Amino acid sequence: GQQLNQSPQSMFIQEGEDVSMNCTSSSIFNTWLWYKQDPGEGPVLLIALYKAGELTSNGRLTAQFGITRKDSFLNISASIPSDVGIYFCAGHNQAGTALIFGKGTTLSVSS
Amino acid sequence: DGGITQSPKYLFRKEGQNVTLSCEQNLNHDAMYWYRQDPGQGLRLIYYSQIVNDFQKGDIAEGYSVSREKKESFPLTVTSAQKNPTAFYLCASSIGAKSVETQYFGPGTRLLVL
Repeated sequence: GQQLNQSPQSMFIQEGEDVSMNCTSSSIFNTWLWYKQDPGEGPVLLIALYKAGELTSNGRLTAQFGITRKDSFLNISASIPSDVGIYFCAGHNQAGTALIFGKGTTLSVSS
Repeated sequence: DGGITQSPKYLFRKEGQNVTLSCEQNLNHDAMYWYRQDPGQGLRLIYYSQIVNDFQKGDIAEGYSVSREKKESFPLTVTSAQKNPTAFYLCASSIGAKSVETQYFGPGTRLLVL
C-alpha cells in the first residue's frame, strides 16, 4: 500500500527550541491528521485538517494542509521535555477509506 | 468515560498457537480497524469493519482473522499461519468509514512469541 514520506526520521533538540516536521504524498489527500505516540501507548490525535490551505493550532502545535493537497507540516514551538515521542502524519487519499501513515518522526528533547 | 480499550496489554504466544486480541469501544462508532506496528515503521492496516457483520482485508491480512458480531467489539485472531506475529497491535475506531473521518486509537497490545 501507499505510504507517506515523513521527514525528518528523528530529531534531537534542546528544550525551548522550535520543531518542524513534514509529510509529502504523490497523490492528492482529502484529510491530514497528526498523531503523537508515547512509548508503549496508542497514538493520540493532535490536529486534524480537512481543507487545502487550512492552518490549525492546538496550544504550542500548529499544522497546515498544503495548498497542493499533497503535503502537510507540523510545528511545535518552545519544546518541553514532555514533547518527547513519535509523531505520525496520516491521511486519506481519494482512493479509499483506509488511513495511510507516515513512518514517524522520533523527537528527543534534552533539558 | 468514552474510549477504546484493548486487552491484554501484553500477550505471549507459543509456536502453532492461535491467540485473540480484544478491542472494545463505547463511542458508538460504526467503523473499527486493526493495525500492526513494527519498530521504525508506520502503522499497517490488517482488517477494517465499516458496519456490524461486515469486514474487509487491509494491506497485511494474511495470517489474521476478525469478526464483528457487535458494534462495540472487533476481536483480532492471530493464527498459526502468521509466521512473524511479534509486533504492537493497535485498534482504532471512527464514527463512519468515509474518507474524512478521524480515527481514534486504543492503548495497544504487544504480542510476543515464546
